[in-house]
This record gives sequence, structure tokens and C-alpha cells, in this order.
Amino acid sequence: GAGVSQSPRYKVAKRGQDVALRCDPISGHVSLFWYQQALGQGPEFLTYFQNEAQLDKSGLPSDRFFAERPEGSVSTLKIQRTQQEDSAVYLCASSSTGIGTEAFFGQGTRLTVV
Amino acid sequence: KNQVEQSPQSLIILEGKNCTLQCNYTVSPFSNLRWYKQDTGRGPVSLTIMTFSENTKSNGRYTATLDADTKQSSLHITASQLSDSASYICVVSYTDKLIFGTGTRLQVFP
Repeated sequence: GAGVSQSPRYKVAKRGQDVALRCDPISGHVSLFWYQQALGQGPEFLTYFQNEAQLDKSGLPSDRFFAERPEGSVSTLKIQRTQQEDSAVYLCASSSTGIGTEAFFGQGTRLTVV
Repeated sequence: KNQVEQSPQSLIILEGKNCTLQCNYTVSPFSNLRWYKQDTGRGPVSLTIMTFSENTKSNGRYTATLDADTKQSSLHITASQLSDSASYICVVSYTDKLIFGTGTRLQVFP
């Protein structure tokens, strides 16, 4: 595709519900990143993939957060038993090689937990 | 702790005026520094990327400067337009991560 695509754009979940957020990176991009952006804040790192390998997951806030990229292209960020503090915009970015190159962001998924 | 701090937090200017946004960072080791523009409800879009050895880089009306000795960067916007209204985020590349500042919210009024 022409850019990084994320779906859904908006998600409202009841507290305790599981959610899955999808990211379609730019075709051929090796690296994929997930970020969490709270209202009025800058994005914060969650996790990083190089192809299908999850090289860094140090930013995941708890074991309720899980990310995968099984075939090295599309990635899914799953949040189990959502809580209100999980409400944020979840941004996905991809780059052709490592983080030293240009990173292109999707429009994000705005998650609201009620 | 690796940090990126930006100032001012918010800024209001009139259309056609210039402005300068500041970024101070403590990230080390440092790979590169980027400025992103983020419109409301959209993902960040890269404006400039500078490596350790670069002092300045321009992209149209946007000019970024970098002083790696003092760990400071600035983004200068010339002849502002209404479409410049957005958040401007300073981002420092650290190993395999991007460390984001909290941004400067710029509003341009006619």
C-alpha cells in the first residue's frame, strides 16, 4: 500500500474486554514499531519487530499487552482485559531497515475504554 | 534517564510570522534527531532528520538546527501558514527506539 494503514480507526471497549489492533506496514518494510500516545503527550515506545522477530518489547506496560507479526508483514497488538488507563491512541510505524532510516506512521487507533 | 524536553508547550502566532521551537535532550548514545509534525487525529509526519554531524537541515519553510555539544535543537518556521497549526514533536533515535518529546502545540491565526 501507499502508506501505513491501521484499523480500526476508533475502538470503544468495555472494561475487561479484549481488543485487537491491526497494522499494515508499507510493503517491504522490515521494521515495525508500536507506540502508545496518551492525550496531550508524545508517543511512547511499546515494542519493535524486525521481520517476524520481536526484538524489543520492553515498553509493553503489562502482560495484558501482546504483539505479534507472524509472517513479517501485518502486525496485531492485542490488549487483554482492558482497563481505563489503556485509553490512548496506538500508533504503528514502519521503516525499510532499522530505526536509523525514515519511519512512517499510520494514523493510529484511538482506543477508549469505558 | 533518556529524556527529550520541548519548549514552549504551546504557542500562538499570527499568519505570516516566524517562530522557533526548542528541544533539549539527554539521550545517549545518540543516532539522529528528527522533527515530526502531527496534525490532530493523525499520525506524525517527518519534517527533518539530522545525524550527529549535521548542524542544519531545511525542508521548505522549516529549518532545523542541531548543536550536539549542548544537546539542543531548534525548529524554525518561516512565514507561517494556517496549515502549520499542529503539534511539533522532537524525536531522538536511541539504539532501536525513538524517544519522543511531549511536543509544542502551535496555533496559527489569520
